[in-house]
Amino acid sequence: DAGITQSPRHKVTETGTPVTLRCHQTENHRYMYWYRQDPGHGLRLIHYSYGVKDTDKGEVSDGYSVSRSKTEDFLLTLESATSSQTSVYFCAIRGGVSYEQYFGPGTRLTVT
Amino acid sequence: AQRVTQPEKLLSVFKGAPVELKCNYSYSGSPELFWYVQYSRQRLQLLLRHISRESIKGFTADLNKGETSFHLKKPFAQEEDSAMYYCALGGSEKLVFGKGTKLTVNP
Repeated sequence: DAGITQSPRHKVTETGTPVTLRCHQTENHRYMYWYRQDPGHGLRLIHYSYGVKDTDKGEVSDGYSVSRSKTEDFLLTLESATSSQTSVYFCAIRGGVSYEQYFGPGTRLTVT
Repeated sequence: AQRVTQPEKLLSVFKGAPVELKCNYSYSGSPELFWYVQYSRQRLQLLLRHISRESIKGFTADLNKGETSFHLKKPFAQEEDSAMYYCALGGSEKLVFGKGTKLTVNP
């Protein structure tokens, strides 16, 4: 499982509340990614990080922010959750020279 | 621009039948292609990488640069192969994923 964990694994929250999802890795990899997975859309990249305090936007970054203050943790924040952000969120890390990524177990977020 | 197309959203076969999941890509450089599998409500797992030319769980995939394809094949499907399959293209800091094909293997 490449030493990747996500927390929480499930969360139900109300519209307008802030939510933070955590991704933790134990392998000291440089690259970390946040995706959302929705039926009919597959996986879509939200944000990614290429080092501590170095982040960049993906294709669906609106309404999301990220932070990476240390190598092992990559946080995804929904400042004011909306129902359209109900989804399954996956974190991934990229290992060495290859482009392959390894995924965490996912967080199922429901915004009511 | 990098693009991955998986033309079939759904694919249904019977146990023991051959299966082929199609993947076409668009990339101007030298691509790195992958297949990922996701069993029901689980994480995505790396199944194959084209540079390894390996066979995992009976699956193989050959990169055809002329046709810009990386189709996933298995000669005899098993019920436990039922899952979501994603083709992915690497060539920059990000992976580009296709929208996935849901494979159902019927008994």
